Amino acid sequence: NAGVTQTPKFQVLKTGQSMTLQCAQDMNHEYMSWYRQDPGMGLRLIHYSVGAGITDQGEVPNGYNVSRSTTEDFPLRLLSAAPSQTSVYFCASSYTRTVSNYGYTFGSGTRLTVV
Amino acid sequence: DAKTTQPTSMDCAEGRAANLPCNHSTISGNEYVYWYRQIHSQGPQYIIHGLKNNETNEMASLIITEDRKSSTLILPHATLRDTAVYYCIVVNTNAGKSTFGDGTTLTVKP
Repeated sequence: NAGVTQTPKFQVLKTGQSMTLQCAQDMNHEYMSWYRQDPGMGLRLIHYSVGAGITDQGEVPNGYNVSRSTTEDFPLRLLSAAPSQTSVYFCASSYTRTVSNYGYTFGSGTRLTVV
Repeated sequence: DAKTTQPTSMDCAEGRAANLPCNHSTISGNEYVYWYRQIHSQGPQYIIHGLKNNETNEMASLIITEDRKSSTLILPHATLRDTAVYYCIVVNTNAGKSTFGDGTTLTVKP
């Protein structure tokens, strides 16, 4: 099925561990982004990419790295996990970096707990 | 990017119209208004967007004031399945990022 696929769906990490959250889309979307959502809160932008090889920081980039080597994939790396990074992470994509008639397509999220 | 202000929560009776307001008083000429909703803990879902004209699709209508400083999302006949958090955001045609606020929690009651 076409869409945005995030893996894993659930993850528990110990403080200090590193890991990569995967995001893949098969819609040939140019724009991809990562958001985090803390309990009872809205979404906050971590990093985004307007095309392969181009990434930029969002509102809350500290502690996270991204790369965009292909159009399809946009992995999010946690360098040294901290309890403050416990959150639900959503990946989103869009055909264009700006205005799209279909808005963003979101993945189903990765629920991360850091203990 | 322009900031948006939305009420924290709203209730609506099933079958009635739900009118969700959004203030974006600092919106600039090249910024669009987008609406999304998030049901439970699922990923947000696109609803509708507009620049300055009113828009309608199969899900909702979007009314934008003439000065573009505010807008209203209208769900014409709300159902229990419309209970969700609704986000109003502005998207800059020259920028590559969009920020979400905390949204409005709409509860549709029987």
